[in-house]
Amino acid sequence: RKEVEQDPGPFNVPEGATVAFNCTYSNSASQSFFWYRQDCRKEPKLLMSVYSSGNEDGRFTAQLNRASQYISLLIRDSKLSDSATYLCVVRVGAGNNRKLIWGLGTSLAVNP
Amino acid sequence: EAGVAQSPRYKIIEKRQSVAFWCNPISGHATLYWYQQILGQGPKLLIQFQNNGVVDDSQLPKDRFSAERLKGVDSTLKIQPAKLEDSAVYLCASSLGGPYNEQFFGPGTRLTVL
Repeated sequence: RKEVEQDPGPFNVPEGATVAFNCTYSNSASQSFFWYRQDCRKEPKLLMSVYSSGNEDGRFTAQLNRASQYISLLIRDSKLSDSATYLCVVRVGAGNNRKLIWGLGTSLAVNP
Repeated sequence: EAGVAQSPRYKIIEKRQSVAFWCNPISGHATLYWYQQILGQGPKLLIQFQNNGVVDDSQLPKDRFSAERLKGVDSTLKIQPAKLEDSAVYLCASSLGGPYNEQFFGPGTRLTVL
């Protein structure tokens, strides 16, 4: 089993749709969780951190389920500009041994 | 604030040749990372520096890849000799540190090995 697994997609949705991405992780000791966004031929950029209580930023909602070891990202009222690859990232380890494990990403295409 | 700088942006070489990439992190960022991203995949960590010390190089193919960060600022990543499967984007990132340390990425170097 991969350390971090995501639906590969691609997800093709119309503008205004709600879309949800799931990500599962294998290390129960994982401590921090993130969603990064990567546009085509660009570098990844942090979209949002994922907190235990869940968090929302505008149209984006991230949730963490430690018991089931999965993270989700919900995008409401999707825009054309949301088209990108969404990368799930999990931090394991402590101190100087902290490292990030990256998923392969889920591709989203929002169509007019 | 200036972001992470990388050069060159593109490089085409033949297999068995050598190549070097350069990265200048954001000022004050103690942690520097080199990633390899093959088309269609997520970034794969090659090496992580904390100042000028190596924290994690477990996925660095040490028979052909090397990296250094001598003064705890700039870093170089070298491949010698290159193989066809090394064709990828090489991303450099830096972060301040701390439990929720956001990584800031440079634009990457796109390497094509012919």
